[in-house]
Amino acid sequence: RKEVEQDPGPFNVPEGATVAFNCTYSNSASQSFFWYRQDCRKEPKLLMSVYSSGNEDGRFTAQLNRASQYISLLIRDSKLSDSATYLCVVNPGSSYKLIFGSGTRLLVRP
Amino acid sequence: EPEVTQTPSHQVTQMGQEVILRCVPISNHLYFYWYRQILGQKVEFLVSFYNNEISEKSEIFDDQFSVERPDGSNFTLKIRSTKLEDSAMYFCASSERGPGDNEQFFGPGTRLTVL
Repeated sequence: RKEVEQDPGPFNVPEGATVAFNCTYSNSASQSFFWYRQDCRKEPKLLMSVYSSGNEDGRFTAQLNRASQYISLLIRDSKLSDSATYLCVVNPGSSYKLIFGSGTRLLVRP
Repeated sequence: EPEVTQTPSHQVTQMGQEVILRCVPISNHLYFYWYRQILGQKVEFLVSFYNNEISEKSEIFDDQFSVERPDGSNFTLKIRSTKLEDSAMYFCASSERGPGDNEQFFGPGTRLTVL
């Protein structure tokens, strides 16, 4: 089983749509969870950390289900500028490294 | 907003040559990292560095790789004898905190091409 698994997409949605991405992780001892976005040939940029209680940042909502080892990201009112690859990222608590999923590609069309 | 910087943005080298990739982490961060991303693949951890020593390294980080913090601001990755398969984007990252609570911020990357 992959350490962090994501649907590669692409998700092709119209502007204004709501879109949800899911991710599963294999290490139950993982302690920190993040969503990053990556534009083509650019660096990963931190979008938000993910907490057990769920957290929201404007149009973005992230959820964590530790029992199911499942992380989600919801984007409301999609903008053209949201087009990117969204990376699910996990930090096993005893480790310094971040473990990246392969990413889910989002295309928002006019 | 403080950011991680990296130089050069693109490095082309011949197989067997040594390369040094440079990074300036965010100034109040204490933890430094190198990752790489081969074209079309996911981002992979190479090494972390804290308190002037390697704190963790991956299987990829073999004897041909080394890291150094030569002064108070720079953090470097050296590849001693480059191979074709070292061609990738190399990202430096830094964080304020360590394991368990370490939001890492990435630099723009150095694209390494080995011919």
